[in-house]
Amino acid sequence: AQTVTQSQPEMSVQEAETVTLSCTYDTSESDYYLFWYKQPPSRQMILVIRQEAYKQQNATENRFSVNFQKAAKSFSLKISDSQLGDAAMYFCAMIGGNKLVFGAGTILRVKS
Amino acid sequence: NAGVTQTPKFRVLKTGQSMTLLCAQDMNHEYMYWYRQDPGMGLRLIHYSVGEGTTAKGEVPDGYNVSRLKKQNFLLGLESAAPSQTSVYFCASSYSGTADTQYFGPGTRLTVL
Repeated sequence: AQTVTQSQPEMSVQEAETVTLSCTYDTSESDYYLFWYKQPPSRQMILVIRQEAYKQQNATENRFSVNFQKAAKSFSLKISDSQLGDAAMYFCAMIGGNKLVFGAGTILRVKS
Repeated sequence: NAGVTQTPKFRVLKTGQSMTLLCAQDMNHEYMYWYRQDPGMGLRLIHYSVGEGTTAKGEVPDGYNVSRLKKQNFLLGLESAAPSQTSVYFCASSYSGTADTQYFGPGTRLTVL
């Protein structure tokens, strides 16, 4: 069975600062993909970043980057230059064998 | 291009009533999914479909049925609603399975009294 664990229920960051959200996972699949989704108060699930497990290079999307440690089964999200619009629930997820499995989420609060 | 849409956005049911949630996508995606989101638990897969006319069980299928009669639509049915089915329901779609990003609808908030 695949599991995704987010150990931080809530995080806070000052505007313009950097924050890292943690995620660990477990799977027996050799081919899988990892994602971070953002869910603002509007409830819409928005893809932030995606990482293919076979790629060693960490994915980057503008201010968002990941630290993918395959051996440790760790997939953290770093948000640089945090903005008020980054405030949301962030979900780590992985997919292997057609099924997307989510972590419980981390609420990110951004202070001005 | 509307992406993934869900109908209705909100619904209140009494215990024992039935209802159907409709999901529609206009991206010609093969795969479609129904999830429920409960506080502190993330999203859990209810049922999914890998193509028109196919359905399969996910992690929490009990109490729900689905149908995929047309490629663009995926229906989620509750035959006899229970308070434990109070949740936010999300539909998603993807072009293929494992490798492709899933795109989500805006969600349906369902309350069962």
